[in-house]
Formats: sequence, structure tokens, C-alpha cells
Amino acid sequence: SQKIEQNSEALNIQEGKTATLTCNYTNYSPAYLQWYRQDPGRGPVFLLLIRENEKEKRKERLKVTFDTTLKQSLFHITASQPADSATYLCALDRGSTLGRLYFGRGTQLTVWP
Amino acid sequence: DTGVSQDPRHKITKRGQNVTFRCDPISEHNRLYWYRQTLGQGPEFLTYFQNEAQLEKSRLLSDRFSAERPKGSFSTLEIQRTEQGDSAMYLCASSLVGGKGYNEQFFGPGTRLTVL
Repeated sequence: SQKIEQNSEALNIQEGKTATLTCNYTNYSPAYLQWYRQDPGRGPVFLLLIRENEKEKRKERLKVTFDTTLKQSLFHITASQPADSATYLCALDRGSTLGRLYFGRGTQLTVWP
Repeated sequence: DTGVSQDPRHKITKRGQNVTFRCDPISEHNRLYWYRQTLGQGPEFLTYFQNEAQLEKSRLLSDRFSAERPKGSFSTLEIQRTEQGDSAMYLCASSLVGGKGYNEQFFGPGTRLTVL
């Protein structure tokens, strides 16, 4: 079965620094890898999607990389702000015909002033 | 608000009772998903529909669980004879697959179930 590991349960950084979150997976190679943000008591919110043939994707202060050889994705938040504090989930997508997403347990990011 | 909505937001029930949750997806989306999430874990897939057809069910979905999407619009998830282990957040999501859609999923706020 698919296994997804996110590097740590919690990450604490100072405002203005770059947060780097890691997602490692085993077994099947995903067609896409997605990142979501989840605030307490709320549903996940889609942030970014990267395809298996893409090395890097950017959106404003967010950057995602995808290394299919290492079976790893890195998620970066540059110039972090306290409002970025949340749990970040990575999810594997094996392609639209297969439907389901396989989620990691998430990394709780805290950005302190 | 044109996002995914779920009802109720909270449900407290006694063990052995039946409960039903409703999800209204984004109207133009053709796929609807149900996930379950417990504290400190990521969402776990339960089942999904494409239009009105239920295409996949997880092994987590025991015979006490049933989901429907009768007209390809809203969906219901019913749990019969609830057990304390069913206590979780039940999340619904929708997506548009085909065309320019890449299956990014839009989640509702969830229904938190507590079984006493």
C-alpha cells in the first residue's frame, strides 16, 4: 500500500525565515503531488499541484519541488508570516482516472514573531 | 458562497444509533469524495463518485457505511449502528476532472461526529 511520510509533526520558525517541509513516499509513483493547508477545525485548502514531469512549481511565496528519483517533494514558504501557521498536508494523486488522494499526516508549522 | 457545504457541522450520538451526513459539492464539479480524519492524522479516503456512479470504496468502508449520490449532485453518507471508533471528522470534497481539471480537491468544513 502507499505510504507517505512528512518529515516532522511540528516545525517552529521565526517570522521572515523560509520554512521547508518534506514529503517522502514509497511504492507507487504518483502522477501528481498536491499540497494542502489545514487550519484547526476546518477542511484542507488546496495550495499547489506539481506533475511528475515538473521539477519545480511556484505560486507567490510558495515553492514546491518534486524529485521522482528520491521519491520526495519539498514545500517551501519564503518570508514566512505568523498567518502561515497551520498544518500542511501533502497528498499523492495517481492520476485522474484513479481518483483518491493518499494524504500524509501533516506537518504543523508555527511561525513566531 | 459557492464552496462545498456539509450538514450538520457537529453530531453527537449514542452508540448503536444511525447517523446521516449531507454534502453539497461545487455545482460544476463531477467528482465527489468522502474522507475521514482523526486527530493528528491526515484525511483517509472512504469513497468517491463520478456523477452518480460510485467508482471506488475503501476497505475502511465497512458494511455499516453507505454513501449515495442519487442525482449526481449532493451526496449522503450514512453510518448504521455507530461505534465509538467512528468518532472522527468526516470530510467531503469535490473536483472537476477532465478538460483543464487536474483533480485538485475542494473540501467542505467537515462534520464532526462524536459517538458516546
